[in-house]
Amino acid sequence: NAGVTQTPKFQVLKTGQSMTLQCAQDMNHNSMYWYRQDPGMGLRLIYYSASEGTTDKGEVPNGYNVSRLNKREFSLRLESAAPSQTSVYFCASSADSGNNQPQHFGDGTRLSIL
Amino acid sequence: EDQVTQSPEALRLQEGESSSLNCSYTVSGLRGLFWYRQDPGKGPEFLFTLYSAGEEKEKERLKATLTKKESFLHITAPKPEDSATYLCAVLNNRKLIWGLGTSLAVNP
Repeated sequence: NAGVTQTPKFQVLKTGQSMTLQCAQDMNHNSMYWYRQDPGMGLRLIYYSASEGTTDKGEVPNGYNVSRLNKREFSLRLESAAPSQTSVYFCASSADSGNNQPQHFGDGTRLSIL
Repeated sequence: EDQVTQSPEALRLQEGESSSLNCSYTVSGLRGLFWYRQDPGKGPEFLFTLYSAGEEKEKERLKATLTKKESFLHITAPKPEDSATYLCAVLNNRKLIWGLGTSLAVNP
């Protein structure tokens, strides 16, 4: 039962470096999401993709870009990493975004920006 | 403004000591309320969805209930393996709003 798989699990970057976080789901879900989780802030939505071929901004999109590569894969890119982007990043998927289907999460990428 | 508040922030129980976690919300157009469990170093794991006031869901030692203003997650005779952070999220007409969670520790 793979579910949602995120890579890498850990990453340390220097300020100004770029990197892409990968996410893949094997549940044939239409919708995918990227969150960040910070102490005292809870889960905050960065970007989401309601269906293949579409992406939309969430609550905190600045400094990030996304690509919905196909139905299975949704990547998050940091073009020029900043210390404020140090966080745990979670990818999630759901059957659909418009109705009340639960989201299923991967185990996260722990990212440190020095 | 739509808001979800979970209480208490942290709870420590003895094994077998039943208790309840609270998720209160003020949202326009509730479409669903979700409970998740999150273990350290892991992503949130889906537990329940509740759609309307009066609804209840159960799974092992956990029971979730919903009123028009809040939801409770009742934990009956908890075991140490129930230790985790429990998150509540509410879906309104536009988006999913997350609470900050309750950190539960169950001592043997």
